[in-house]
Amino acid sequence: KAGVTQTPRYLIKTRGQQVTLSCSPISGHRSVSWYQQTPGQGLQFLFEYFSETQRNKGNFPGRFSGRQFSNSRSEMNVSTLELGDSALYLCASSLSPGSKETQYFGPGTRLLVL
Amino acid sequence: GENVEQHPSTLSVQEGDSAVIKCTYSDSASNYFPWYKQELGKGPQLIIDIRSNVGEKKDQRIAVTLNKTAKHFSLHITETQPEDSAVYFCAASPSNAGGTSYGKLTFGQGTILTVHP
Repeated sequence: KAGVTQTPRYLIKTRGQQVTLSCSPISGHRSVSWYQQTPGQGLQFLFEYFSETQRNKGNFPGRFSGRQFSNSRSEMNVSTLELGDSALYLCASSLSPGSKETQYFGPGTRLLVL
Repeated sequence: GENVEQHPSTLSVQEGDSAVIKCTYSDSASNYFPWYKQELGKGPQLIIDIRSNVGEKKDQRIAVTLNKTAKHFSLHITETQPEDSAVYFCAASPSNAGGTSYGKLTFGQGTILTVHP
């Protein structure tokens, strides 16, 4: 079974631009969570989606948004990029939020903001 | 909200030795505790997890213990090998009364484990 896939793997943007990252969960998984990983702050929860609805949201500004499609694929968007948004963005999928299954992570998208 | 503290931040051992990483959490509602291993250029990979209804779980060379009263849990790796070298993260997540976890993990800061041949 294929794992979680994320595209693109690497991205370079400049301040003020916006970016969209994509995540395809493991086949059959319906819950998708997003995390930001930086050397200073570690792994931080961004948001979680299930059935096209955001169920949980972390402590990030409104510039960070996401959505989930009917096929469970998810996208996250960051508008008005800041230098501090440079990070590895990780997507994780699980069967459902109420499942005993754990979250499986993709390889991440590394975003560099110049 | 939940806060997870992880120690040590770096750990260096000789091949064949044991390695222990400890985490404490603050939210008594947390009931699910996974451990992830992250290698360079890759996403975190689940290596073992434990739920609050058990105190210990073992999978070959890896074991996790949980003390809910003290709000701490630990990862034990025995007979370490060079390929165990990576960054290890503990995490905690609240769950409902039925014991199923939610999709929000709070992570520790990570431990860089180096196993010397």
